[in-house]
Amino acid sequence: KAGVTQTPRYLIKTRGQQVTLSCSPISGHRSVSWYQQTPGQGLQFLFEYFSETQRNKGNFPGRFSGRQFSNSRSEMNVSTLELGDSALYLCASSLGTGPSYEQYFGPGTRLTVT
Amino acid sequence: AQTVTQSQPEMSVQEAETVTLSCTYDTSENNYYLFWYKQPPSRQMILVIRQEAYKQQNATENRFSVNFQKAAKSFSLKISDSQLGDTAMYFCAFMKETGNQFYFGTGTSLTVIP
Repeated sequence: KAGVTQTPRYLIKTRGQQVTLSCSPISGHRSVSWYQQTPGQGLQFLFEYFSETQRNKGNFPGRFSGRQFSNSRSEMNVSTLELGDSALYLCASSLGTGPSYEQYFGPGTRLTVT
Repeated sequence: AQTVTQSQPEMSVQEAETVTLSCTYDTSENNYYLFWYKQPPSRQMILVIRQEAYKQQNATENRFSVNFQKAAKSFSLKISDSQLGDTAMYFCAFMKETGNQFYFGTGTSLTVIP
């Protein structure tokens, strides 16, 4: 069974640009969550999608947005990139929503903003 | 608000020895779940062990076990017979019973010395 895949794995962007990251969950998984990982702030929750609906959103500015498609694949978009957006972006998928469902993490997308 | 604290940024242990990683948390929730995740240098997060707060028995998974002290809000991870493959960053995490969002600690970098 294929794991969670994230594309691209590495990305370099310039301040002010926008970026779209993609997450393909494990087949059959309907929940996808996104996290930002930085050395200074650690792992912070961005948002969660379940069956194409955003169920929860973390404390991030409106420049961060996401969506989920009918096949459960998810994308997150960051507009007007800032240097502080440089981070490893992780997504996690699970069969359902709630702590009784194990979440499986992808390898992450390393975003560098210059 | 939920907070998770890992007070040991770095630890090391000799191969085949036992090591304990500390984690404390703060919450007003009565029912919740606690997790230990491992992030090896390749960066994919892997679930190590999970504990449901309403279960008094400490969870175990092969060489990994936890010491869950609900009243003290403490959730430590014990790794027995440490192996080189245990070298990784270890994150303690909290999730509400009704949620799907992890609250992560800042992590402990564990190095197993041959």
